[in-house]
Amino acid sequence: NAGVTQTPKFRVLKTGQSMTLLCAQDMNHEYMYWYRQDPGMGLRLIHYSVGEGTTAKGEVPDGYNVSRLKKQNFLLGLESAAPSQTSVYFCASSRSGTGVSGANVLTFGAGSRLTVL
Amino acid sequence: SQQGEEDPQALSIQEGENATMNCSYKTSINNLQWYRQNSGRGLVHLILIRSNEREKHSGRLRVTLDTSKKSSSLLITASRAADTASYFCATDALGSARQLTFGSGTQLTVLP
Repeated sequence: NAGVTQTPKFRVLKTGQSMTLLCAQDMNHEYMYWYRQDPGMGLRLIHYSVGEGTTAKGEVPDGYNVSRLKKQNFLLGLESAAPSQTSVYFCASSRSGTGVSGANVLTFGAGSRLTVL
Repeated sequence: SQQGEEDPQALSIQEGENATMNCSYKTSINNLQWYRQNSGRGLVHLILIRSNEREKHSGRLRVTLDTSKKSSSLLITASRAADTASYFCATDALGSARQLTFGSGTQLTVLP
């Protein structure tokens, strides 16, 4: 069982370049999330999706765009990378529903380490 | 803004000892979860406690929740070197559209 797969695992960009991080899940989860993790900051939510074709902003959405064209995929795009976007990015997914056991327990990918020079 | 804040930031203990980590949060919640992260890896869910529960056990883990104080604690009994990791609390706040907000974590080191 693959769970949540992120690609690429590592990437180095120059300021102003663009790139896309891909997240794929094989658990038929409705909800998908992109977080960034910085030292001493914990995880901060960038964008999330509650279903195919829907996206919403999280706590730190500026400089990022997302798309959820297929239920199993959630893409995170950086149109013009900045050094402040150097971070480790985590994708996660969860089942939908309220009051359901394990309803929003997140399954995480292994992370994508991005360095912007 | 971060909903949960863990305390202490770092904890070092000997194998066999108990480890206690605390989490404080700011707003009313549906549930609170604890996750573990090994170095260089993604987070793994450990345990979930709902707002109407006060204590929950899972193997060597014991979680308590005090909604009046907006705090939770995670106790790992009989720690092993393999428990060395970062531990994060995450809250599902009321009205948050099921987003989880994570704290900054406690780095636990268990010395053999």
